[in-house]
Amino acid sequence: EAGVAQSPRYKIIEKRQSVAFWCNPISGHATLYWYQQILGQGPKLLIQFQNNGVVDDSQLPKDRFSAERLKGVDSTLKIQPAKLEDSAVYLCASSLVAGPSYEQYFGPGTRLTVT
Amino acid sequence: AQSVTQPDIHITVSEGASLELRCNYSYGATPYLFWYVQSPGQGLQLLLKYFSGDTLVQGIKGFEAEFKRSQSSFNLRKPSVHWSDAAEYFCAVGGLAGANNLFFGTGTRLTVIP
Repeated sequence: EAGVAQSPRYKIIEKRQSVAFWCNPISGHATLYWYQQILGQGPKLLIQFQNNGVVDDSQLPKDRFSAERLKGVDSTLKIQPAKLEDSAVYLCASSLVAGPSYEQYFGPGTRLTVT
Repeated sequence: AQSVTQPDIHITVSEGASLELRCNYSYGATPYLFWYVQSPGQGLQLLLKYFSGDTLVQGIKGFEAEFKRSQSSFNLRKPSVHWSDAAEYFCAVGGLAGANNLFFGTGTRLTVIP
């Protein structure tokens, strides 16, 4: 079974530029999560999708971050414009369905450096 | 305030020695409890989880964890550490207020010396 795929693995941009990350969840997984992991901290949820609908985006800085999950499969997370404090690893995870008893499978992450 | 605390930022153990990583949570009810491991350049991998029932849970790679309600703790243990166990370990809670996402601690970095 293929795992969660993310690309790119690394990205370096200057502040005020835009960037996009891509995630392909495990086949058949209805729920998709984007987490932000700042160096020295644990991952923090940015947004959760159930199929192609948003379940929770309360922690997403909507003035600069956006995310979509067209057709309920792949997802993209965009930052525009980026700030220095956006430097972090962005993790995508998926689970079969929503619910804390269902294991979340994580991708390798995209490490973003904003200079 | 609700929180997950991992008091040890960094732990160093010798290969073959026993290991205990601490995790405390602060919530009104017993949440779902998890331990994840993150190796360099890798995503997080679930080691074990506790929902209810037996308070001692077994996980992968020889790890176990014990839930202690009276101490609001969920400590991770391994009787004999291998060099390949060197990684970052995260405690997490889920199922709070009906939410599906996980709340993570700040992590404990484990170094294993020969």
